[in-house]
Amino acid sequence: AQKVTQAQTEISVVEKEDVTLDCVYETRDTTYYLFWYKQPPSGELVFLIRRNSFDEQNEISGRYSWNFQKSTSSFNFTITASQVVDSAVYFCALSEARGSTLGRLYFGRGTQLTVWP
Amino acid sequence: KAGVTQTPRYLIKTRGQQVTLSCSPISGHRSVSWYQQTPGQGLQFLFEYFSETQRNKGNFPGRFSGRQFSNSRSEMNVSTLELGDSALYLCASSLGAEEIHNEQFFGPGTRLTVL
Repeated sequence: AQKVTQAQTEISVVEKEDVTLDCVYETRDTTYYLFWYKQPPSGELVFLIRRNSFDEQNEISGRYSWNFQKSTSSFNFTITASQVVDSAVYFCALSEARGSTLGRLYFGRGTQLTVWP
Repeated sequence: KAGVTQTPRYLIKTRGQQVTLSCSPISGHRSVSWYQQTPGQGLQFLFEYFSETQRNKGNFPGRFSGRQFSNSRSEMNVSTLELGDSALYLCASSLGAEEIHNEQFFGPGTRLTVL
């Protein structure tokens, strides 16, 4: 069965602190894709990153970085030097590359990040 | 390039009524997916359309239906509304075809309130 777990429901940090959002997933497929989305108060889900199951290289984009570890089925997201504008709900999602569920996104419950000035 | 648009943005209905929500994908995108977001259940997949055909369906009752037109625009319909249908309905578009696992771009959503 497919499942995405974001154990952290809420995180609060002070501006300029680093923060890591955890994501653990379950899938029987050997080919799959992992995503992170940001949902600000306006409600629209904003795409941040996609990673396929064959690429375990970590990725850095500005203040954002992602650590993908197949051995622990985790795809964690770190924001360095957080800013107030980073306040949002962050969702981790899984998509399988084949079968009847092709393309369907399985979302975690999300982590509400609040960055205080 | 225009993003995904959804209309209306807000909707208030009463129990028993039906509602139609509309989604216009990004130009050139042929796949449209619908998701329901509620505080209790989180983000749940409703269905996905590609080239006017439903390719994938989530675990929702038959009251929830959808369709896609030749210009890739999609509508979803909910009949006999229930209080529990109150939610944010999000539409996502992607290139589709074999690259369905491409990133899906979401619209701003339609906030449906059922009284």
